[in-house]
Amino acid sequence: KAGVTQTPRYLIKTRGQQVTLSCSPISGHRSVSWYQQTPGQGLQFLFEYFSETQRNKGNFPGRFSGRQFSNSRSEMNVSTLELGDSALYLCASRRAGYRQETQYFGPGTRLLVL
Amino acid sequence: SQQGEEDPQALSIQEGENATMNCSYKTSINNLQWYRQNSGRGLVHLILIRSNEREKHSGRLRVTLDTSKKSSSLLITASRAADTASYFCATDSITQGGSEKLVFGKGMKLTVNP
Repeated sequence: KAGVTQTPRYLIKTRGQQVTLSCSPISGHRSVSWYQQTPGQGLQFLFEYFSETQRNKGNFPGRFSGRQFSNSRSEMNVSTLELGDSALYLCASRRAGYRQETQYFGPGTRLLVL
Repeated sequence: SQQGEEDPQALSIQEGENATMNCSYKTSINNLQWYRQNSGRGLVHLILIRSNEREKHSGRLRVTLDTSKKSSSLLITASRAADTASYFCATDSITQGGSEKLVFGKGMKLTVNP
């Protein structure tokens, strides 16, 4: 079974631009979560989608948004990029999003904002 | 915000030695998980221990959980150079909506020297 895939793997943008990252979960998984990882703040939860609905949201500004499609693929968008948005963005999928389910992570998208 | 705090933050050992990492957390949990990350890549799930469990084994990994002290430890026995990675503990946090999200510690860097 294929793992979680994320595209693109690397991205360079400039301040003020917007960016869209994509995540394809493991087949059969309906929950997709997004995390931001930076050296200073570590791994921080962005949001979770389940069956095309946002089920959870972390403490990030409205510039960070996401969506999930009927095939469970998910995208996250960051508008008006700031230097501090430079990070590794990880998505993770799990079957139904119940407690005690293992999350499977993708390789991440490394975003650099100049 | 981080709930788990790994200790020590960095550990360097020789191949064959055992490595012990500790994690402390603040609030009540349903389960605690340990993940490994190699060089800024995606996270790999290692082991999950439920709040009603005290110890769990998986291959060379041994995890303990002490809910009274709000702490967990991960022991890697007979370490190998390939164990060189960052290790994270993650606890579940129940949101107002009743669903679950993972809250990660800042991680601990383990270096195993050949």
